[in-house]
Amino acid sequence: QITLKESGPTLVKPTQTLTLTCTFSGFSLSTSGVGVGWIRQPPGKALEWLALVYWDDAKRYSPSLRSRGTITKDTSKNQVVLTMTNMDPVDTATYFCAHMPEEQWLVAFDYWGQGALVTVSS
Amino acid sequence: DIVVTQSPDSLAVSLGERATINCKSSQSVLYSSNNKNYLAWYRQKPGQPPKLLIYWASTRESGVPDRFSGSGSGTDFTLTISSLQAEDVAVYYCQQYYGSPYTFGQGTKLEIK
Repeated sequence: QITLKESGPTLVKPTQTLTLTCTFSGFSLSTSGVGVGWIRQPPGKALEWLALVYWDDAKRYSPSLRSRGTITKDTSKNQVVLTMTNMDPVDTATYFCAHMPEEQWLVAFDYWGQGALVTVSS
Repeated sequence: DIVVTQSPDSLAVSLGERATINCKSSQSVLYSSNNKNYLAWYRQKPGQPPKLLIYWASTRESGVPDRFSGSGSGTDFTLTISSLQAEDVAVYYCQQYYGSPYTFGQGTKLEIK
């Protein structure tokens, strides 16, 4: 059974750095083809894909992160970490991490965490 | 970036009736070498994370009821719910994964008439 859970601060101040951790179980990020992504959703708005890390440590980022974001994996701890610098109130959102299945070229997300609401405010 | 646009923004359908949601991409998401459309559909109920319904434009995810079907190719796609159930009240999103950034549509809110 695959599960994912996001953890991190619920409130950050503008210009601060956000660090979110996705802790997962039921799969290994060393399995060929597997990936974990981060997607966010501002209150009442649509989903926005942010970043993705593959089993081989290849990474993809949305241009919207504009070099503010970094995704890393720790296979031994079953964790993926998203770091975003210089946070702004427009970054207020629920942040989801999600599992990408191992089928080649299939960048869809079949298991999701419950999400972590992050508010950016002074 | 590939822009994905859904229509309508909201939809009200009677229980047991058919619901149809459209998704249009700004460029083709059909990869000619494998003849696959790189498009997925999700359902998001209030207060919950999204749930994957359809991938490769028409392949139903395991456990998804067969009243859900996906169709289309190239730039134009459709999600059809053949007989609306009360539990289908949700926001539906399409997502292209042809190229990074992997963009979502703006969502379609489905309600009961």
